[in-house]
Amino acid sequence: DAGVIQSPRHEVTEMGQEVTLRCKPISGHDYLFWYRQTMMRGLELLIYFNNNVPIDDSGMPEDRFSAKMPNASFSTLKIQPSEPRDSAVYFCASTRTGFMNTEAFFGQGTRLTVV
Amino acid sequence: RKEVEQDPGPFNVPEGATVAFNCTYSNSASQSFFWYRQDCRKEPKLLMSVYSSGNEDGRFTAQLNRASQYISLLIRDSKLSDSATYLCAVPGGGADGLTFGKGTHLIIQP
Repeated sequence: DAGVIQSPRHEVTEMGQEVTLRCKPISGHDYLFWYRQTMMRGLELLIYFNNNVPIDDSGMPEDRFSAKMPNASFSTLKIQPSEPRDSAVYFCASTRTGFMNTEAFFGQGTRLTVV
Repeated sequence: RKEVEQDPGPFNVPEGATVAFNCTYSNSASQSFFWYRQDCRKEPKLLMSVYSSGNEDGRFTAQLNRASQYISLLIRDSKLSDSATYLCAVPGGGADGLTFGKGTHLIIQP
């Protein structure tokens, strides 16, 4: 299996623009998580899905952030409009049964810079 | 107390030495704990899981102290390749999510 695939790997955009991050989880994994990592705050859970259904989005910082999972093999995280403070590395992770009992696999991340 | 706390380091350790660092957690009901390793500009990868008092895998030992609510990671005979950031993770942030510490940066020096 190719692992969790994220795109793009790097994104530089201007403040106010819409940004869409994409993730393909490992086939057969029922859970998908979106995390954001910064030096100041570390890894923060933004939202996660179980069987394509959003379960907990309490970590989404503002209404500017939205996430969807239209099918088992694809998810998007959208920021509209983007702001410089959104600059971070965004990771997608998937796991078969949730983090509690099994290994989670992370994608390589999308490094977002908003100027 | 923050949910998961770690000493950010860096820990500068000579090759071959033993190094240990701790992670404290606030959720006393947690039953499982994890150490992830993250190399520079890479994604986190699972290093060890801890479900009871501890776990050992080669040069790596993870121990759990429930009374004091911390887990530790011990690395024996450290190698240059052990240089990385070690993230502690505890269930939280949702029923199935994990809350991560900010990580401890380890540098093994030749």
